[in-house]
Order: sequence, then structure tokens, then C-alpha cells
Amino acid sequence: DGGITQSPKYLFRKEGQNVTLSCEQNLNHDAMYWYRQDPGQGLRLIYYSQIVNDFQKGDIAEGYSVSREKKESFPLTVTSAQKNPTAFYLCASSIGQGATDTQYFGPGTRLTVL
Amino acid sequence: GQNIDQPTEMTATEGAIVQINCTYQTSGFNGLFWYQQHAGEAPTFLSYNVLDGLEEKGRFSSFLSRSKGYSYLLLKELQMKDSASYLCAVLDSNYQLIWGAGTKLIIKP
Repeated sequence: DGGITQSPKYLFRKEGQNVTLSCEQNLNHDAMYWYRQDPGQGLRLIYYSQIVNDFQKGDIAEGYSVSREKKESFPLTVTSAQKNPTAFYLCASSIGQGATDTQYFGPGTRLTVL
Repeated sequence: GQNIDQPTEMTATEGAIVQINCTYQTSGFNGLFWYQQHAGEAPTFLSYNVLDGLEEKGRFSSFLSRSKGYSYLLLKELQMKDSASYLCAVLDSNYQLIWGAGTKLIIKP
């Protein structure tokens, strides 16, 4: 089955710790994205990558970092510099670099920082 | 600034029809998406409109008027499983998706 996987589903961390969220896709998609979703707000773009070894900041990149060493994988690190990290994090991918490509989402990771 | 407006919550009855509106003000327009999101789950793609008019896909239809900065999602023959949030998103001039906060649709028997 092709799809996007995110792990874990729920993640708890202490304040001041870095944490890495996993995102893997086997759809052979070139582009991948990370969003944050908070109650009552639209999805906000953190980082995106249109090709391996390249990525761009989104609207709210501060306190986050990413890597794209493989086409299939786009992990997101939430650093201790992120002031309000508790949120629902969604990873998405799209087929290519075509600007109107539909984005397909993984199941999300709910991060709670205690 | 860029803005997408949707009602926060709507309630409808099983078997009925509901229309969820979305108005937008963005820097440029390269298409509008509708997604469905059940609580705690991933958004799933419903429709994409770039030209004016109505696109029908089974029980779901999506309408776009670019001159009015307006779209709606029409759901017919509502089923309990349609209870979800419906997200409107616009591709701006930089081909970035701008997302609305979503409309929570509650279906009552």
C-alpha cells in the first residue's frame, strides 16, 4: 500500500528537549511539506522540500529544522527554541514540482510538551 | 494580508443538503482546494477548482467564483460519516497554500 506514515501518533516531551518527528512516503513524490495545526487556526507551513537535499522555510520556521537526505524521508526536529511546540503536526507530499499538485497528508503526530 | 474565511461550525440533519462557504482575499489565485478532516486524522482531498463554475463528484460538489473571491462545498444526502471539518485552501501567486481555519460540520440523526 502506498502512503505517508508519521510516527509516533502521540509524543510527550519535557520542556527544553529537542524532539524529531518522522515522516516517510512511498508514493515516489518529489515534494514534501510540514504543517502545524492549532485549534481554531488554519494549517501553517513550517518547511517544505521540492527535491532531495533542498528545502525552504515556510511561514513559521523559527524553532524548527528539517533534512531531506532521501526522497522518501523528511524528518522534522522541534527544538527547544520553539516557544509553543504543543500542536498537531502534519506531513504532506505531492507528486512533483508542479505548482498545483494536490497534497496528500500523513496521519499526523500530536506533540505535547510538558 | 491574506485571508480565508469559513464559518466555524455548522449543523445539519442526516439526509439533508448543506452548503459550506469560503471567501478569500489572497495575493493572486492559482486554484482552490477543499479537504475533509475527521477529528485527529489527516485531511483528505475532496476537490480542486481553478475555473469558475460547479464541479460535481458524487454527493459532493464544489463551486468557484473568482470575481467574487468565493467558493462553496455542497454536500448532498448527508450521512453521519460526513461529520468532520472541511478545510478550504487557496494557492496564492507564489503557489503557496493559504488555509482557512476549517468548518466543523455536525450531522444530527
